[in-house]
Amino acid sequence: AQSVTQLGSHVSVSEGALVLLRCNYSSSVPPYLFWYVQYPNQGLQLLLKYTSAATLVKGINGFEAEFKKSETSFHLTKPSAHMSDAAEYLCAVSGESGGFKTIFGAGTRLFVKA
Amino acid sequence: DGGITQSPKYLFRKEGQNVTLSCEQNLNHDAMYWYRQDPGQGLRLIYYSQIVNDFQKGDIAEGYSVSREKKESFPLTVTSAQKNPTAFYLCASRPGGGSRTEAFFGQGTRLTVV
Repeated sequence: AQSVTQLGSHVSVSEGALVLLRCNYSSSVPPYLFWYVQYPNQGLQLLLKYTSAATLVKGINGFEAEFKKSETSFHLTKPSAHMSDAAEYLCAVSGESGGFKTIFGAGTRLFVKA
Repeated sequence: DGGITQSPKYLFRKEGQNVTLSCEQNLNHDAMYWYRQDPGQGLRLIYYSQIVNDFQKGDIAEGYSVSREKKESFPLTVTSAQKNPTAFYLCASRPGGGSRTEAFFGQGTRLTVV
């Protein structure tokens, strides 16, 4: 079985500060990992994904994430927060044992203070 | 432009009524999904379909039904048996290629019971 845990349902940072959103996964097979962003009352947009190539993955809008197998983590970072980054961020995992199913974390709401 | 279209964006249902949410995609994707999103719970899988005329229950299928008569369409019916249907519903699709491919999402339908 696969699962995802996002630490912190809410994270607040100041504009220009580092953004760090935490995601830990559990998987009995090599995982594929995804970060999505969701703005209010909208669908999800892919930020980045890890599919067993480079462990440091760069995505859109200046975000990146590092796959650490030893820590079963896939944390999302951005060096400098912008007001437009305020949104819901969801981490997800899939794997061959799950077939076409993707498991999502509960999400982290990012607040950016001026 | 290719994408996933969900309609309507907002839907109000009276107690005891069945309602159908529409999902259409022109991405030529094989797999389609329905998720339910509630605050603090992330996305929960209702039903998914990997090919036409075939679909499987997800984690919370009770009170819902689907059909997949065409590759492009995957409508979801929320029946009167669903005791707490007020939620945000998201439709998604994925191309073939298994678990490493990301899902593409529609803009969602917000269903409210009145």
